[in-house]
Amino acid sequence: DQQVKQNSPSLSVQEGRISILNCDYTNSMFDYFLWYKKYPAEGPTFLISISSIKDKNEDGRFTVFLNKSAKHLSLHIVPSQPGDSAVYFCAASAEITSGTYKYIFGTGTRLKVLA
Amino acid sequence: NAGVMQNPRHLVRRRGQEARLRCSPMKGHSHVYWYRQLPEEGLKFMVYLQKENIIDESGMPKERFSAEFPKEGPSILRIQQVVRGDSAAYFCASSLQTGYEQYFGPGTRLTVT
Repeated sequence: DQQVKQNSPSLSVQEGRISILNCDYTNSMFDYFLWYKKYPAEGPTFLISISSIKDKNEDGRFTVFLNKSAKHLSLHIVPSQPGDSAVYFCAASAEITSGTYKYIFGTGTRLKVLA
Repeated sequence: NAGVMQNPRHLVRRRGQEARLRCSPMKGHSHVYWYRQLPEEGLKFMVYLQKENIIDESGMPKERFSAEFPKEGPSILRIQQVVRGDSAAYFCASSLQTGYEQYFGPGTRLTVT
């Protein structure tokens, strides 16, 4: 039962254009979401997060949008650069017990930015 | 300020042997999480530990796998009697508090021959 889904396994974008990565979730109790970037043979690195009380969070070239009614979030990268080529994972915070949380990760989207 | 450390980076074991993977969290972090990434798949949660306690092990296979995070020293993920299907990248992450951003180590790539 995949609670966090990234339905596009791969995406190719021209350098300088916008990259849009999508993520859907099924549990309406999720209230905190993150995006991670992962290069081959390295661990994931934290990119940006958003709380469910917001619908947008921006950090430089990266913006995350949250649509709670649709249970959907997206990551926008503008402008895309070749160094952005990586696998991107979205993750949702799930409460285990009162005040204790773990993250559920999606399956990842491989972004390739073409020079 | 050192990040999350994992060792070894690469581990080769024959079927039936034991694998021990170590994780030292970031300084000041007392929450540790282990994930497994199978080839061409995403990150699967395995276990969440706090010092000397297992908080959630719902992602751990029921047999052969165990994890600990002692009062002193690194967290250990132990796989007994490894099989070929255990070949994967195992990532450890740590956080300052529960629900906060997790910081990942470089991973241990286990190959079972």
